[in-house]
Amino acid sequence: SYELTQPPSLSVSPGQTASITCSGNKLGDKFACWYQQRPGQSPVLVIYEDKKRPSGIPERFSGSNSGNTATLTISGTQAMDEADYYCQAWDSDTAVFGGGTKLTVL
Amino acid sequence: EVQLVESGGGLIQPGGSLRLSCAASGFTVSSNYMSWVRQAPGKGLEWVSVIYRGGSTYYADSVKGRFTMSRDNSKNTLYLQMNSLRADDTAVYYCAGGPNSSGFDYWGQGTLVTVSS
Repeated sequence: SYELTQPPSLSVSPGQTASITCSGNKLGDKFACWYQQRPGQSPVLVIYEDKKRPSGIPERFSGSNSGNTATLTISGTQAMDEADYYCQAWDSDTAVFGGGTKLTVL
Repeated sequence: EVQLVESGGGLIQPGGSLRLSCAASGFTVSSNYMSWVRQAPGKGLEWVSVIYRGGSTYYADSVKGRFTMSRDNSKNTLYLQMNSLRADDTAVYYCAGGPNSSGFDYWGQGTLVTVSS
């Protein structure tokens, strides 16, 4: 079965850039999307189709996808960006989530 | 405003059955790709099932043969019938969906299912 791999955790200082990776076999041939989940809340879509931002998502969130790696980049990271982030892609008719990355802003 | 409201969760013994519902407003279930996604306590997101606009359904291997996803277009409601429940089915179950398969735009608040004796 298809797998997506994310680093379990990442720390970044406020105002710096956070880059969260998601690896999967030929992931660049699929569309990747990203979700933010704050503690006790439902996930929120922040990037879809590799690099598109849904309405209401700040411009500091951007995405890319090539080869075997998709990347979520948060520029000028703010304290409110501290959350778990999950990548997701479809393999045939199955949705696959990465294991999640806990982003700490300190 | 789009709202997805799950219900039907609770405590159930191993081997038991439960039916979850997801009522939609401001959003037409039959016109969108809809999925159930679960999250075990302290763990990551796990996709469970999908129903496409045309009505086709697909399932994760972990629930295939035990769970059945369906929808009632007249009630604009999604369902997940869960049979032969096991302890590792314990999770918050979210319904989620969107206009295309590239991402889940909308999520409910989730309903907790606890399988324990």
